[in-house]
Amino acid sequence: RKEVEQDPGPFNVPEGATVAFNCTYSNSASQSFFWYRQDCRKEPKLLMSVYSSGNEDGRFTAQLNRASQYISLLIRDSKLSDSATYLCVVILHTGGFKTIFGAGTRLFVKA
Amino acid sequence: SAVISQKPSRDICQRGTSLTIQCQVDSQVTMMFWYRQQPGQSLTLIATANQGSEATYESGFVIDKFPISRPNLTFSTLTVSNMSPEDSSIYLCSVELRGLSRGYTFGSGTRLTVV
Repeated sequence: RKEVEQDPGPFNVPEGATVAFNCTYSNSASQSFFWYRQDCRKEPKLLMSVYSSGNEDGRFTAQLNRASQYISLLIRDSKLSDSATYLCVVILHTGGFKTIFGAGTRLFVKA
Repeated sequence: SAVISQKPSRDICQRGTSLTIQCQVDSQVTMMFWYRQQPGQSLTLIATANQGSEATYESGFVIDKFPISRPNLTFSTLTVSNMSPEDSSIYLCSVELRGLSRGYTFGSGTRLTVV
């Protein structure tokens, strides 16, 4: 089993739709969680951190469920510009730090 | 947050040759990280570059193949040596965003094609 798993998609949604991605992690030592966005042929860019209390940034909401060991990203009112790959990132604190990237979920938003 | 300049942005190289990738950060950072992203895959950590000491390599990556330099707190290089087509990939450098709890920022990447 992979340490971090994501549905690869692709998710094809119309503009204005709400779309949700999940990411599961297997190591309970996981302590820090992030969603990154990667556009085609570009580097990953930090979208938002994920906290147990949940956090919201405009149309984006991220949630962490430690008991079930998953994080989620909700995008409301999808825009064409949201089309990208969304990477789930988990940092393990096990003496040192180990960062694990999910393989990404591809999103296509269509007019 | 730190700004990273990475170059070259892309290159096409003959097998058997070597390519050195450079990353310059606009602020001093303790650790720099080198990743590889193969087509359709996620990021895999190659090594952590520490200033003043040997780089720490992840399983499956060795210094002879991927020598790293870290001469100061703002600069690092990764060399891909004796290249083969399997080395065709995107190579990215990265630094922490003021503490691991804040994630990372990445250079713009080097798209390498080995022919």
